[in-house]
Amino acid sequence: SYELIQPPSVSVSPGQTATITCSGYNLRDKYASWYQQKPGQSPVLVIYQDSERPAGIPERLSGSNSGNTATLTVIGTQAMDEADYYCLVWDSGTAVFGGGTKLTVL
Amino acid sequence: EVQVLESGGGSIQPGGSLTLSCAASGFAFSSYSMSWVRQAPGKGLEWVSRITSSGDSSYFGDSVKGRFTISRDNSKNTLYLQMSSLRVEDTALYYCARTIRSRTSYTTYYFDFWGQGTLVTVSS
Repeated sequence: SYELIQPPSVSVSPGQTATITCSGYNLRDKYASWYQQKPGQSPVLVIYQDSERPAGIPERLSGSNSGNTATLTVIGTQAMDEADYYCLVWDSGTAVFGGGTKLTVL
Repeated sequence: EVQVLESGGGSIQPGGSLTLSCAASGFAFSSYSMSWVRQAPGKGLEWVSRITSSGDSSYFGDSVKGRFTISRDNSKNTLYLQMSSLRVEDTALYYCARTIRSRTSYTTYYFDFWGQGTLVTVSS
């Protein structure tokens, strides 16, 4: 079955750029979406179709997909960005989530 | 305002059955695929199942295939998940999510609205 690998944790200082990766075989052939989940809350869609932002999502969050890696980038990270982030792709009709990355803003 | 509200969770013994419901409002329910996603305590997200807008097709993750059934009643704007032969490892918060198909990929979807979840605990 298809697998997506994310680093368990990423740390960043306020105002700096955070990069969260999601790796999978030939991932460039699929579209990735990203979900932000804060403690005790439901997940929120932040990126779809690799790089599209839903209404209300800040421009400092962006996505890309190339080769075997999809990337979520947070420019000018703020304390409110501290959360767990999950990538998602579809493979053979089933949805596959990455294991999640905890973004810590130090 | 788009809303989905899950209900039906509770404590159940291994081998038992339980049915979850998801009441939708604020959008044309019959026009959208819907999905269930679960999250075990302290763990990541796991996709459980998806059903097409008409309800004529459904899809399942390997861990629940053959044990869970997804259905919908478009006249009641409600999604269901029937769970049987429950296992301890099915313990999780179960989310209902509106599912949107990509404009450029017929086989790609994303979840744009999520409910608050309903907790299922399987324990003897």
